[in-house]
Amino acid sequence: SQTIHQWPATLVQPVGSPLSLECTVEGTSNPNLYWYRQAAGRGLQLLFYSVGIGQISSEVPQNLSASRPQDRQFILSSKKLLLSDSGFYLCAWDSRQGGEKLFFGSGTQLSVL
Amino acid sequence: AQTVTQSQPEMSVQEAETVTLSCTYDTSESDYYLFWYKQPPSRQMILVIRQEAYKQQNATENRFSVNFQKAAKSFSLKISDSQLGDAAMYFCAYIRRGGSEKLVFGKGTKLTVNP
Repeated sequence: SQTIHQWPATLVQPVGSPLSLECTVEGTSNPNLYWYRQAAGRGLQLLFYSVGIGQISSEVPQNLSASRPQDRQFILSSKKLLLSDSGFYLCAWDSRQGGEKLFFGSGTQLSVL
Repeated sequence: AQTVTQSQPEMSVQEAETVTLSCTYDTSESDYYLFWYKQPPSRQMILVIRQEAYKQQNATENRFSVNFQKAAKSFSLKISDSQLGDAAMYFCAYIRRGGSEKLVFGKGTKLTVNP
């Protein structure tokens, strides 16, 4: 069966520090991968998605970047965090068939202080 | 662009009662999928139910069912025999079948279940 792992669960970082959140998927190949951000009590904002290794599309221009070095690995990064980067980050995947279910990781709560 | 609207920011229901969460969407497509996701306090996003637009029959998953009105572009979620564990944020979502677009989410409805 397919599983998605996301870590860390919680992260507290000072302003100006770098960031690296990692997400890996098991049990499937060539998935579509996504990074979402959710502000407290709000909906989900799509940040990045990837349809293949090295292929990254950005939905919202910002301080963050994403990379997909391997088929089932998706990384969210920042060189210098801003206060506004605080939030709950969710990684997700779906199959390439379109319209299939989107499966989410357990999320990372990022607090930038 | 497709949009998904959840007009009820918050709802409450008594335990064992029934509650309906509303969702409307805007699309010019005829073939698409609709979803309801649940996000409990743990913040894990859990798929509750999926509806295929070309199927007239409303989807059902145990105590969860939908009322899909394609012409009205309405997709409401009914929770029967509400349980305390149903308390969560509920998100409605849309995606065109076979397209390259991404899942479009509504802003969510916070459901409180009162004992």
